Amino acid sequence: GDSVTQMEGPVTLSEEAFLTINCTYTATGYPSLFWYVQYPGEGLQLLLKATKADDKGSNKGFEATYRKETTSFHLEKGSVQVSDSAVYFCALYLTGTASKLTFGTGTRLQVTL
Amino acid sequence: DVKVTQSSRYLVKRTGEKVFLECVQDMDHENMFWYRQDPGLGLRLIYFSYDVKMKEKGDIPEGYSVSREKKERFSLILESASTNQTSMYLCASRSSAAYRVGELFFGEGSRLTVL
Repeated sequence: GDSVTQMEGPVTLSEEAFLTINCTYTATGYPSLFWYVQYPGEGLQLLLKATKADDKGSNKGFEATYRKETTSFHLEKGSVQVSDSAVYFCALYLTGTASKLTFGTGTRLQVTL
Repeated sequence: DVKVTQSSRYLVKRTGEKVFLECVQDMDHENMFWYRQDPGLGLRLIYFSYDVKMKEKGDIPEGYSVSREKKERFSLILESASTNQTSMYLCASRSSAAYRVGELFFGEGSRLTVL
């Protein structure tokens, strides 16, 4: 079945460090891909998305490029801040799959001063 | 500001009790969802609803039921709570517009502990 695999956390970085969180997917068709973020004590919120191959989603300094050849959608940020500390979820959506998103297990990011 | 509101942030119940988790959205969204979130397992879909009085089972519906009598409200019911239902429960809603199908709006979550 369709699935999303994320790198295990926690990821601990110093402020201003470069961030990569890996995400790969398995899907029978051509999914749309998403990154959601969950700040402490809050629900998830959409961070960025890409709907077709080679699309780049971006928001709040974060970027991710839809790579069909490697079935990946890695999240990157050039310079993280303490306020980026959160859990990040990669997700995919396939048309016709009863309208549901398939989420990865989440990656916790901790940014320290 | 758009909002999905879950009625209780924290609940403690006893085994065998009936539990209601309520969710209300103010965005006139057609679709609503209930997920549970557990460490190492991510989010798993329990039930979803396309529209009023419509419901579909998700990946883990056993032990749960839902009710959607009004468009803005989607309730999750645990008929007889068990300890393995201790979890964080997240409600979400979504527009049915094709270009927004992956964009869920989540509530803050309800953390349920079953003793």
